[in-house]
Amino acid sequence: AQKITQTQPGMFVQEKEAVTLDCTYDTSDPSYGLFWYKQPSSGEMIFLIYQGSYDQQNATEGRYSLNFQKARKSANLVISASQLGDSAMYFCAMRSPVDTGNQFYFGTGTSLTVIP
Amino acid sequence: DTEVTQTPKHLVMGMTNKKSLKCEQHMGHRAMYWYKQKAKKPPELMFVYSYEKLSINESVPSRFSPECPNSSLLNLHLHALQPEDSALYLCASSLNSGTGEKLFFGSGTQLSVL
Repeated sequence: AQKITQTQPGMFVQEKEAVTLDCTYDTSDPSYGLFWYKQPSSGEMIFLIYQGSYDQQNATEGRYSLNFQKARKSANLVISASQLGDSAMYFCAMRSPVDTGNQFYFGTGTSLTVIP
Repeated sequence: DTEVTQTPKHLVMGMTNKKSLKCEQHMGHRAMYWYKQKAKKPPELMFVYSYEKLSINESVPSRFSPECPNSSLLNLHLHALQPEDSALYLCASSLNSGTGEKLFFGSGTQLSVL
C-alpha cells in the first residue's frame, strides 16, 4: 500500500488566490512526522513546513499552513496569496519509526502552476 | 551556515569513466543521505550514513560506492555507469535520524551518462 498519496499530478491557481495541495498518508505508528517540500525547476528541495503526529495545532509558516486531520490521515498544504514564484513541484513526505524505518518516504508530487 | 553544498552541479561521463560527487555540510548534522531523482518523480533513497557509518543501502548497484570520510563530508563514487543512471543526485543531511528531523538538501548534481 502507498504510504503517501498525492492525487493531484498538476494544479493551476490564479495569482493572489489560495490553493490546497492534497496529501494522505498511511501508517500504524502513533508517532510520525509529516513534511512538505517545494522543488523549483532549479532542482533544490526546499523545506516548507512540518507537522508532528502529536501536535495539537495545525502548523503554519508564513503563507504556508498545514491542514492536519489525523483521523482522516490527511495533511493538506494550503498556500495563501499565491505568487508566481510558487510555481514548482510540491512533495509531501512522512517519517515514521516502524513503517519507514525513520527514513523519508515521499509522495509522487503535485506540479503547481501560478497563472498571472 | 545552514547549507548543504554539492559539487559539481553538472556532470557528463562515459560508461567507462570514474567520477565522484561531493557533498559537504557544517551544521553538525550526524545523518547524511544520497537520493536519486528522475525527472518528474520523487527522490529515491540510495544510502544513509548515521554517525559516519553506513546504516542503509537501498539495494543500490555496486557501481555506486558511497564514502563518508568525516562528519561533514559525503562522497558518491561512480564507476562503469549505465545510461539509465542519468538523473539528479541529491545529497541531504539531518541533525539525526529522529522522526521529527527535517532534511536539508543540496542543490543536486545533474548527471548524464553517455
